[in-house]
Amino acid sequence: AQSVTQLGSHVSVSEGALVLLRCNYSSSVPPYLFWYVQYPNQGLQLLLKYTSAATLVKGINGFEAEFKKSETSFHLTKPSAHMSDAAEYFCAVSEGQGGKLIFGQGTELSVKP
Amino acid sequence: EAGVVQSPRYKIIEKKQPVAFWCNPISGHNTLYWYLQNLGQGPELLIRYENEEAVDDSQLPKDRFSAERLKGVDSTLKIQPAELGDSAVYLCASSPGLAGGLTSTDTQYFGPGTRLTVL
Repeated sequence: AQSVTQLGSHVSVSEGALVLLRCNYSSSVPPYLFWYVQYPNQGLQLLLKYTSAATLVKGINGFEAEFKKSETSFHLTKPSAHMSDAAEYFCAVSEGQGGKLIFGQGTELSVKP
Repeated sequence: EAGVVQSPRYKIIEKKQPVAFWCNPISGHNTLYWYLQNLGQGPELLIRYENEEAVDDSQLPKDRFSAERLKGVDSTLKIQPAELGDSAVYLCASSPGLAGGLTSTDTQYFGPGTRLTVL
């Protein structure tokens, strides 16, 4: 069975600093990987996804993630944090052909002025 | 383009009462999902529909939960009777559903969710 582990339930950075949110996956087949963001009292919004094309994936709002098969990782980065980036971030892997998403526990990002 | 619509946004009920949640997916989306999100956790799939057919309901607690998607558009998720442990956010999502059934890479579009509190 596939699974996702997000390291760090809470990450705090200063405005303008690098954002790094860690995600490791477990999968017996080539995975499809996703990062979603959830703002308070809202649904999840897709940031980016890896579907076996380029290993470096660029998403919305300046975020990107790199698929590293040897490390089974799909970490999310942004060069310079903005106050509006404060939210909950979820990494997910798609299981099977039906699109069932297996989510990690989530990482809450705080951005300090 | 309108997103996924869910209602109600909030619901407070006494335990043992029934409750229902409604979801209207993005127009033209064939695949509809219901997820359960407990506080501080990632969402977990309850049921997935391809048009009007429930193709994955293995995680749905069928003794008290039921769902339907009549005519392959709107969907309703019901709990009867509700228990204290059912307090959570219930998320609905939809995706286009690719021809041939391969939807692994589809983007799922989520609604705002219904926050249920069972007292």
